Amino acid sequence: GQNIDQPTEMTATEGAIVQINCTYQTSGFNGLFWYQQHAGEAPTFLSYNVLDGLEEKGRFSSFLSRSKGYSYLLLKELQMKDSASYLCACMDSNYQLIWGAGTKLIIKP
Amino acid sequence: NAGVTQTPKFRVLKTGQSMTLLCAQDMNHEYMYWYRQDPGMGLRLIHYSVGEGTTAKGEVPDGYNVSRLKKQNFLLGLESAAPSQTSVYFCASSYTPIDSAGELFFGEGSRLTVL
Repeated sequence: GQNIDQPTEMTATEGAIVQINCTYQTSGFNGLFWYQQHAGEAPTFLSYNVLDGLEEKGRFSSFLSRSKGYSYLLLKELQMKDSASYLCACMDSNYQLIWGAGTKLIIKP
Repeated sequence: NAGVTQTPKFRVLKTGQSMTLLCAQDMNHEYMYWYRQDPGMGLRLIHYSVGEGTTAKGEVPDGYNVSRLKKQNFLLGLESAAPSQTSVYFCASSYTPIDSAGELFFGEGSRLTVL
């Protein structure tokens, strides 16, 4: 079956760095997305990776290793507003998006 | 900018009742999607549309119907609601297909409870 695994919850301190991991097992691979979702709100797009390596966007970076079926989202200089759920989604060979259950990130002062 | 708007935001139904969720987008997007989000699970695609007048089944289409009579609107209907359909429903749209890495723009969600 197809599966996306990410930790259920993580806690980090304001100003620190946190890495949220995502591992996937899908039939084929056509890219991986990260979305941010604040409680009670809509998911919003953060990043898309289809090639191996690191993509940096300001305080957020996303890494992909296709051979390992692994991605991570790196958040630097954490701010209280970064408290949210982070959703990993993988596109399989049929271009269907398979979503992880999300990682709830709690930022403490 | 309105983006993607869903109505209603909240609804409580009794088992067997019917209702329609409306999704409207003002970005002239061709592609529209309905997802449901349940605790501990990833988003699951119910139905989607690749353009006005077209609809297609997603991962969990049973118990739902959709229509896309106008490009900007995508309606999700529940003909006979069941408690298993208690969920948060998200509409999304994209300018390009997902297979070209099209970013999804989501509405704020509609929380539906079926008693």
